[in-house]
Amino acid sequence: KQEVTQIPAALSVPEGENLVLNCSFTDSAIYNLQWFRQDPGKGLTSLLLIQSSQREQTSGRLNASLDKSSGRSTLYIAASQPGDSATYLCAVPINAGGTSYGKLTFGQGTILTVHP
Amino acid sequence: ETGVTQSPTHLIKTRGQQVTLRCSSQSGHNTVSWYQQALGQGPQFIFQYYREEENGRGNFPPRFSGLQFPNYSSELNVNALELDDSALYLCASSSLQRAHEQFFGPGTRLTVL
Repeated sequence: KQEVTQIPAALSVPEGENLVLNCSFTDSAIYNLQWFRQDPGKGLTSLLLIQSSQREQTSGRLNASLDKSSGRSTLYIAASQPGDSATYLCAVPINAGGTSYGKLTFGQGTILTVHP
Repeated sequence: ETGVTQSPTHLIKTRGQQVTLRCSSQSGHNTVSWYQQALGQGPQFIFQYYREEENGRGNFPPRFSGLQFPNYSSELNVNALELDDSALYLCASSSLQRAHEQFFGPGTRLTVL
């Protein structure tokens, strides 16, 4: 059974700082990994999707890396802003089979606060 | 292109009651997945529907059931509500061909007293 862990559970940084969020998963036979953002009481917004054949993906100030062999992914946020304050979740398919499309196992999330 | 919508936004029920939550999928999407998110936790997969048939289920008891309609809107039904069912319920729609591109609705906050 796939399990996903995120560290740290919460992070508070001053504006402008670069930061790294960590995600680990137990079954390395994944075909993709996603990072999501969730604002309080809201739904999820997909930030980045990394396919198993890729090592990293970038979108603006966000960069996500994937190391399947070690079961780890990191989300790097450059020059953080107060608007980045949210919960960040990583997710992988429930199992390695092809029937896992759209069925995700999530970590518990990292609550990020960026203060001015 | 319309987004995913869910209704109601908030709901309060008492233990033992039944509840129905609704989700309207994004236009052109034929797959819907439901998740339960307890406070401070990540979402947990409940089940997925594709073309009106259940297409996979997580570790949830049979009192959690669903429906998908020909217009691809969907319902989540929970019978015999328990206090631990209090959570944010999220639906996500996608096309099966591009299932990794899921679009989440804003969720329904269910409180069971």
